[in-house]
Amino acid sequence: QSALTQPASVSGSPGQSITISCSGSSSDIGDYNYVSWYQQHPGKAPKLMIYDVSKRPSGVSNRFSGSKSDNTASLTISGLQAEDEADYFCCSYAGRSTFVLFGGGTKLTVL
Amino acid sequence: EVQLVESGGGLVQPGGSLRLSCAASGFTFSGYWMHWVRQVPGGGLVWVSRINSDGSTTTYADSVNGRFTISRDNAKSTLYLQMISLRAEDTAVYYCARGAPGDSVWFDPWGQGTLVTVSS
Repeated sequence: QSALTQPASVSGSPGQSITISCSGSSSDIGDYNYVSWYQQHPGKAPKLMIYDVSKRPSGVSNRFSGSKSDNTASLTISGLQAEDEADYFCCSYAGRSTFVLFGGGTKLTVL
Repeated sequence: EVQLVESGGGLVQPGGSLRLSCAASGFTFSGYWMHWVRQVPGGGLVWVSRINSDGSTTTYADSVNGRFTISRDNAKSTLYLQMISLRAEDTAVYYCARGAPGDSVWFDPWGQGTLVTVSS
């Protein structure tokens, strides 16, 4: 199976909202509610931001939200802040043989 | 504080071997699935392998199956990844990550990563 598809880059101004899409198939995103999103700043480890499509771990700002429709998952960040500038990766369970697929990552630039 | 610290990375020649370690602290290590995920510098994340809480079940990505072996020592709260027959395409930062409890699938937290470079 191929990696999930994300836009290479998105940008927004402080205070605005942006949405990052993550396109998969009926064998991964479309078949399971196990989509997660990770934030990664340069030189740092990935950090879990959203799990089970739309749940936020303790400590993650409520400006981050997740959703899913058919074979596409989305991460929305509202009230953009400079500290949100980072790479974002989606991930989906894809069955017992493949286990999980990650997206190629989206670089968010806060203008 | 829940923490994962990887070690063991370095420069190795093609065909060589390396063993990575991941020391866990701040949680009951023996109660969780553990995973290895790798990232080519500047690139995306790729899941590599996983092991269940008592070490009796392991799974591998096709790209490493037969060459990598995941294991754990619950008494030492340490996860391992033995890598043999290394190839240039195995060059990456290797992260260990704790798996989700129950039936869900996510990774939290992640270690800081250890760089493996396969080159002559």
